Amino acid sequence: DVKVTQSSRYLVKRTGEKVFLECVQDMDHENMFWYRQDPGLGLRLIYFSYDVKMKEKGDIPEGYSVSREKKERFSLILESASTNQTSMYLCASSPGTGGLGYTFGSGTRLTVV
Amino acid sequence: GNSVTQMEGPVTLSEEAFLTINCTYTATGYPSLFWYVQYPGEGLQLLLKATKADDKGSNKGFEATYRKETTSFHLEKGSVQVSDSAVYFCALSSGGSNYKLTFGKGTLLTVNP
Repeated sequence: DVKVTQSSRYLVKRTGEKVFLECVQDMDHENMFWYRQDPGLGLRLIYFSYDVKMKEKGDIPEGYSVSREKKERFSLILESASTNQTSMYLCASSPGTGGLGYTFGSGTRLTVV
Repeated sequence: GNSVTQMEGPVTLSEEAFLTINCTYTATGYPSLFWYVQYPGEGLQLLLKATKADDKGSNKGFEATYRKETTSFHLEKGSVQVSDSAVYFCALSSGGSNYKLTFGKGTLLTVNP
């Protein structure tokens, strides 16, 4: 069964910590995405990548960075976690051509205290 | 730019009631349209899609028809079940970044026995 795997379902970190959220897909997809989901705001795109070592900013990249050293893995990095980054983080992947939609991971609920 | 507007929830129905969740869009070119579903505590799953005007997507008793003249993609189900309780997202992909999805804010559906 093809899937997108996020390394943690729940994570609690302290303010100021550097946080790594990992995402791995086994479908050989070219595109990978990181979203955050907050009540009343829907899904907001943080960063995406359409190829290895390539990245593009989404709508809310401030306070985040990403890394894609291998095709199957896309990491989201919170350089210095803050309480306003408490959220549900969703990773997704899709093939290179459009019209096929995304496959999502199960999400990581991050709490910054 | 691209945008998706879906009816605000929450929507509360009794089991076996008819469901409609409205979705309208603004897009350049000829978008592909999607409905995703998110069950409690999980990531998003693709429910159905349509890639050209007048196409009907269907899955698990849900249907949506791509209406170019009204720029709409309303989700319908004839008889909802308690297990359909979830958040439903309408989305589109279009334009030069054909692999990037634009999401609506989601509609929470609760079905009572």
